[in-house]
Order: sequence, then structure tokens, then C-alpha cells
Amino acid sequence: KQEVTQIPAALSVPEGENLVLNCSFTDSAIYNLQWFRQDPGKGLTSLLLIQSSQREQTSGRLNASLDKSSGRSTLYIAASQPGDSATYLCAVRKRDDKIIFGKGTRLHILP
Amino acid sequence: DGGITQSPKYLFRKEGQNVTLSCEQNLNHDAMYWYRQDPGQGLRLIYYSQIVNDFQKGDIAEGYSVSREKKESFPLTVTSAQKNPTAFYLCASSIDIVSGGHMNTEAFFGQGTRLTVV
Repeated sequence: KQEVTQIPAALSVPEGENLVLNCSFTDSAIYNLQWFRQDPGKGLTSLLLIQSSQREQTSGRLNASLDKSSGRSTLYIAASQPGDSATYLCAVRKRDDKIIFGKGTRLHILP
Repeated sequence: DGGITQSPKYLFRKEGQNVTLSCEQNLNHDAMYWYRQDPGQGLRLIYYSQIVNDFQKGDIAEGYSVSREKKESFPLTVTSAQKNPTAFYLCASSIDIVSGGHMNTEAFFGQGTRLTVV
């Protein structure tokens, strides 16, 4: 059974710092991996999608990497801002089209 | 605007009553999903549908039912058999498209329905 783990569960960093969020999955037979952002009481906003054949994707200050063989992905946020405060969720899509989520990392950027 | 619409945003029901949550998408996506989110639990898959008139159970399907009679609609019914129905429910959809020589299967989410059973 595919399991997705996100570490840490919560993180507080001062504004301006670079930071890394981690995601690991137990079954490397994935179709893709997607990072989302969720603000309190809201739906999910897609940040980056990495297909299984890709190693990384970048969007602005965000960079996501994927090492499928080791079952790991990281989300790198450069020059963090208070507006980056949210919960970040990692999800893997399996070959049967199931999308399995981690429990998320709650990020708080201190002004 | 194209997107996924969940309605209503807030829903209150009495214990023992069935309730149906709406999810509509005008993105022409084939696959649709229902998730439940509880504090500290992340998102758990209830049901998903890869194509019209077909759907599969997710990890926590007991007490729920779905239908997929139209491509754009995937309603979720929370039945009285669901022991702890109060939660935040999220609907998603995705499509497989080729972009830049790569298959793109990005999933998009609605804004959620918060169900409270009293």
C-alpha cells in the first residue's frame, strides 16, 4: 500500500530564509508527484507537478525535485515571505489513478 | 470561468439523515475524486472515477456513495451509515494531456464543503 510521509509536520522560520520541505513515498511505481498549498478552510492550490520521468520543476521561488528510486521529493522555497504561510501537501498519483496525500507540513513564516 | 465548483460551502444536517454534496467541473476532465480532510489526518480518498459511468472505492468508502452519470458531475452522498461524517470534503478532477512532449496529469481541486452533522 502506498504511504506518503511529510516531514516536518510543522515549521516556523524567519522571513527571508530559504527552506526545504520533505516528502517520501513507499512505492516508487508512481505516475507523478504534485505539491499543493492549502490556506486555512480553503481548497488546494496546485504549485508544481513532476512527472515520473522528470527530476525537477521550478516556478518562481519554488523548486521541486523528485528522486523516484529512493521515494523522495523536496520542495525548496527561496527567500520566504509571510504570504508563504500555509499548509503544503505532497501527493503521488499511482498507476491506477489513485492520488495519495501526505498529512502536510504547516509552514509559518515569521515577519 | 473554467474550474471545479463545490456546493454548498457549509452544510449542516441532523444525525441520521443522508446528505449529498455537489461537485461540478467544466474542464472536460475525465477523472474525478472525493477526499475527506480531518484535522491532523491529511486528505483521505473516499471514491474516484476515471470515466463516466464508472467509479472505484478509495481507502474510506464505507458510509458513502457516488454516481458518475455525466462527465462534469460527481456527487457524493454521505449516508447515515457513516459513523463520523463531520469533516471538510474536497473534490478534484484531472485529465491526461500531452504538453511539450510530456504527459501532464495535473489535478485541480474545488474549494471544499464543510459538513457538520449535529
